[in-house]
Amino acid sequence: NAGVTQTPKFQVLKTGQSMTLQCAQDMNHNSMYWYRQDPGMGLRLIYYSASEGTTDKGEVPNGYNVSRLNKREFSLRLESAAPSQTSVYFCASSESGHAAYGYTFGSGTRLTVV
Amino acid sequence: AQKVTQAQTEISVVEKEDVTLDCVYETRDTTYYLFWYKQPPSGELVFLIRRNSFDEQNEISGRYSWNFQKSTSSFNFTITASQVVDSAVYFCALRKGSGDYKLSFGAGTTVTVRA
Repeated sequence: NAGVTQTPKFQVLKTGQSMTLQCAQDMNHNSMYWYRQDPGMGLRLIYYSASEGTTDKGEVPNGYNVSRLNKREFSLRLESAAPSQTSVYFCASSESGHAAYGYTFGSGTRLTVV
Repeated sequence: AQKVTQAQTEISVVEKEDVTLDCVYETRDTTYYLFWYKQPPSGELVFLIRRNSFDEQNEISGRYSWNFQKSTSSFNFTITASQVVDSAVYFCALRKGSGDYKLSFGAGTTVTVRA
């Protein structure tokens, strides 16, 4: 099925470990996004990529890096995980040609940092 | 700057009651889009509706209806005759009409429908 695929679905890290969350979309969308969801705070934008070859910081970028590997893939890296990064992470994509289009979201990655 | 406020953190109702979720937004843009998403207990985010800033017509889809009032910057969502399957977190979101197309989300309202 067409959509946004995130891996892994669950992950437990120790403080200081690093990891990369993978995201791929097969809808030929130009724009991709990484959000984190925390209780009572909704979804907050970490980084986004308006088009292949560009990335920009969102609302909460500290402690993260991203790579837009190609048009399909947008990865999120935690270089040195901290307990404050325990969250559910969502990747999304959209067709940037018209703002009327909403996002297609992945199913999320539940990350726990101990 | 854009901001979405969902003042209701949690709402609990008995099945068949109506429930209205409030959403108030702030934006300086004249063209923008408003969205509602549903997040059931399984965790995925499900798109419900999109409304642009030039279309203030209310919309009804089955048991769901939306009331967009530009004068009060509100985009409220009503579930009529609620069912247990409506139990979820509901998010209101705002997007600019041009530029980077980032979505700004409200904090969400958790709806619990009791049998």
